[in-house]
Amino acid sequence: AQTVTQSQPEMSVQEAETVTLSCTYDTSESDYYLFWYKQPPSRQMILVIRQEAYKQQNATENRFSVNFQKAAKSFSLKISDSQLGDAAMYFCAYRSYDSNYQLIWGAGTKLIIKP
Amino acid sequence: NAGVTQTPKFQVLKTGQSMTLQCAQDMNHNSMYWYRQDPGMGLRLIYYSASEGTTDKGEVPNGYNVSRLNKREFSLRLESAAPSQTSVYFCASTPLGQSYNEQFFGPGTRLTVL
Repeated sequence: AQTVTQSQPEMSVQEAETVTLSCTYDTSESDYYLFWYKQPPSRQMILVIRQEAYKQQNATENRFSVNFQKAAKSFSLKISDSQLGDAAMYFCAYRSYDSNYQLIWGAGTKLIIKP
Repeated sequence: NAGVTQTPKFQVLKTGQSMTLQCAQDMNHNSMYWYRQDPGMGLRLIYYSASEGTTDKGEVPNGYNVSRLNKREFSLRLESAAPSQTSVYFCASTPLGQSYNEQFFGPGTRLTVL
């Protein structure tokens, strides 16, 4: 069975600086998707970025980028120029390529932005 | 578009009471899901519905039932609530044909069972 591990329960960063959130996963599959979701205090889960495992190029979305290391089964999220609105819980999630339902979630990392 | 809506937003039950959590989406999505979120844990899938008329168990289905009333609506029922079911419940939906199946989430229902 697949598992997702986020080893940092909490991280803090100074506004305008860069922070990296870690995620590792365990799978025997070669094709899959990886996601980072953001959950602000409003509780709404919002997709931040996604990565297809067959793509070697790291995904980027504006200030958000990932470092996808398939051999190491690592999928970290880098947030550049941190803003106060980035404060939230961040969840890493895994989905098998041939599954249309099962997202496997990490326990989350709470990101604190210091003004 | 309201997206995914859930009712109620908050609920307090006594042990043994029953209730139904409602979820609706107006995005014409085919698949719908119910998750629970507990402190220090990620989301865990309770039930899902790949398409109208079908439902399947997820990781933690015990104590719950679901109904996919139509394409828009997917309800979650607790027949006899237990304190272990105190959690935040999220409904989500996914469109057909999207290879990566992004899930769109509702705002959640915070349920407390005394």
